[in-house]
Amino acid sequence: EVQLLESGGGLVQPGGSLRLSCAASGFTFNTYAMNWLRQAPGKGLEWVSGISGSDGGTYYADSVRGRFTISRDNSKNTLYLQMSSLRADDTAVYYCAKDTSLMGLSYFDYWGQGTLVTVSS
Amino acid sequence: DIQMTQSPFTLSASVGDRVTITCRASQSIGSWLAWYQQKPGKAPKLLIYRASSLESGVPSRFSGSGSGTEFTLTISSLQPDDFATYFCQQYNSYSRTFGQGTKVEIK
Repeated sequence: EVQLLESGGGLVQPGGSLRLSCAASGFTFNTYAMNWLRQAPGKGLEWVSGISGSDGGTYYADSVRGRFTISRDNSKNTLYLQMSSLRADDTAVYYCAKDTSLMGLSYFDYWGQGTLVTVSS
Repeated sequence: DIQMTQSPFTLSASVGDRVTITCRASQSIGSWLAWYQQKPGKAPKLLIYRASSLESGVPSRFSGSGSGTEFTLTISSLQPDDFATYFCQQYNSYSRTFGQGTKVEIK
């Protein structure tokens, strides 16, 4: 059974940093691209960042490029999102989601339960 | 980025009704479209991929159609468990984008 478990969310001040983690199990982690998506309270879904399964190629939404860094540790089956220079509009539930292909550019067949990030003073 | 526009924003329907949700893309995306269902406080659940392929385990009352820029999600006979918000998502470009969502409410 595929499981994705996010952690690391919380309250952070504007300009601060936070690192999210996503522990994956139930599939061969290094053969799939992985992604972070977010959903602001009462709003729609936004793809944030993705990373390929093999060569570690990374991709970002314009809204976070230069502030967020996605990475993965295939030996630990874990995905990360390092977030810095956080702003109020980064407040959202952040989801980890599995891609259906190695390189990405696909849809998301499994999602974690989400972790809430609140940026406020 | 490719813009995805869903209609309607909200849909009121009764159990047993046939329901159709429309999703339009700002440029052609072929058949690279997925549909998700989301319930309050839960992660989205994949229903349809490649515009019309039913994800394993999803009831057959759900179906998808379309290509290019116009797509539809149809629920043939609405069940109590189907009251939720539905999102379309394009994957023609790496910057995947979603429609704003359609909330299906009890009439």
